[in-house]
Amino acid sequence: NAGVMQNPRHLVRRRGQEARLRCSPVKGHSHVYWYRQLPEEGLKFMVYLQKENIIDESGMPKERFSAEFPKEGPSILRIQQVVRGDSAAYFCASSQKEQQFFGPGTRLTVL
Amino acid sequence: SQQGEEDPQALSIQEGENATMNCSYKTSINNLQWYRQNSGRGLVHLILIRSNEREKHSGRLRVTLDTSKKSSSLLITASRAADTASYFCATDQMNSGYSTLTFGKGTMLLVSP
Repeated sequence: NAGVMQNPRHLVRRRGQEARLRCSPVKGHSHVYWYRQLPEEGLKFMVYLQKENIIDESGMPKERFSAEFPKEGPSILRIQQVVRGDSAAYFCASSQKEQQFFGPGTRLTVL
Repeated sequence: SQQGEEDPQALSIQEGENATMNCSYKTSINNLQWYRQNSGRGLVHLILIRSNEREKHSGRLRVTLDTSKKSSSLLITASRAADTASYFCATDQMNSGYSTLTFGKGTMLLVSP
């Protein structure tokens, strides 16, 4: 997977808590994508970011979800007041050109 | 059908046989990519085929693309038990100068020894 790192790999939260998912792209990549995968489903695009800018957030729920990719440090996907329906695998990908390199994912379980 | 929809949903074969998976999509694309996902793991990029290409090979993999039919196929020859995984196609539509991938639900391949 060409060096995309995500942490934590597994995250358990109770309803109403906040979840913070981190993604460190491949060194030198300035494009980051977040996808969500529900059980037995394919990945669904959520948001596309470049350094310090959100380019396309058309796939992200309007409430409770936010993403950032600061000048320094990893990209963060933040889910506030989690609900059971947020339980899924969240994948980050980074790219410089056409090919996106995927991280191992964070599996979020909301109790 | 949704963009990047694979069929069959599940495929069970014996080692040594060939496995063919198909993908159909709706809108114009810049390229189409195939990924593999082992159970509970991340995605592994297999192959990318551009809209002006018709066929591509990589080891035991052969991908075809028919833009007139908006379809692609992935052929795995001489399958092995280690090929057991879910396979996804993803279309890249290059909106506004950047790409976002649209994935299908995948084909689950089981290769028995």
